[in-house]
Amino acid sequence: DAKTTQPNSMESNEEEPVHLPCNHSTISGTDYIHWYRQLPSQGPEYVIHGLTSNVNNRMASLAIAEDRKSSTLILHRATLRDAAVYYCILRDVEDSNYQLIWGAGTKLIIKP
Amino acid sequence: DTAVSQTPKYLVTQMGNDKSIKCEQNLGHDTMYWYKQDSKKFLKIMFSYNNKELIINETVPNRFSPKSPDKAHLNLHINSLELGDSAVYFCASSPEYYNEQFFGPGTRLTVL
Repeated sequence: DAKTTQPNSMESNEEEPVHLPCNHSTISGTDYIHWYRQLPSQGPEYVIHGLTSNVNNRMASLAIAEDRKSSTLILHRATLRDAAVYYCILRDVEDSNYQLIWGAGTKLIIKP
Repeated sequence: DTAVSQTPKYLVTQMGNDKSIKCEQNLGHDTMYWYKQDSKKFLKIMFSYNNKELIINETVPNRFSPKSPDKAHLNLHINSLELGDSAVYFCASSPEYYNEQFFGPGTRLTVL
């Protein structure tokens, strides 16, 4: 299974952009990059996913490096409700199980 | 409207007992999952169930068994509970096995 590396924690000020990095140097051509987050005492929540091109949705943007060995989740204007653990996960479309393999994630702390 | 619901939210029981956790999704999804989140907060897939095909994580003891009475429900039955089974258990669903997953609120199981 391809693995990801994320910082254990990050801090950001409220109403400022947040860039959450993820390294996946062993990514294969069929791995999609998925991001989920888990707010305190809640189940995980899907954020965004991509393969090669940058992606935007109402929650965030995903910037993928040209060599695909790293990616960055961008929260354009963080609020206190964005404080959560953010998980970067690779999913191989050729894996018949196609299961999510979760790491430790990045704990995002938002300061008012 | 709750998309993925679990009952109970909290479950406290004695070692050796048998217990069940119920999961229901009203999203019309074809695939459902059970995850375990231990005290270190790592999420591990236990089972995925898609169109009556069960994929089992080989590390899951056979004391754990998923039961799906219909497409909207995937219950988790645990026999002979052990102290190490204490964790938060999350149910999830997705339209197909390769889509984003929607998680329930979790069931905190405490084995005494």
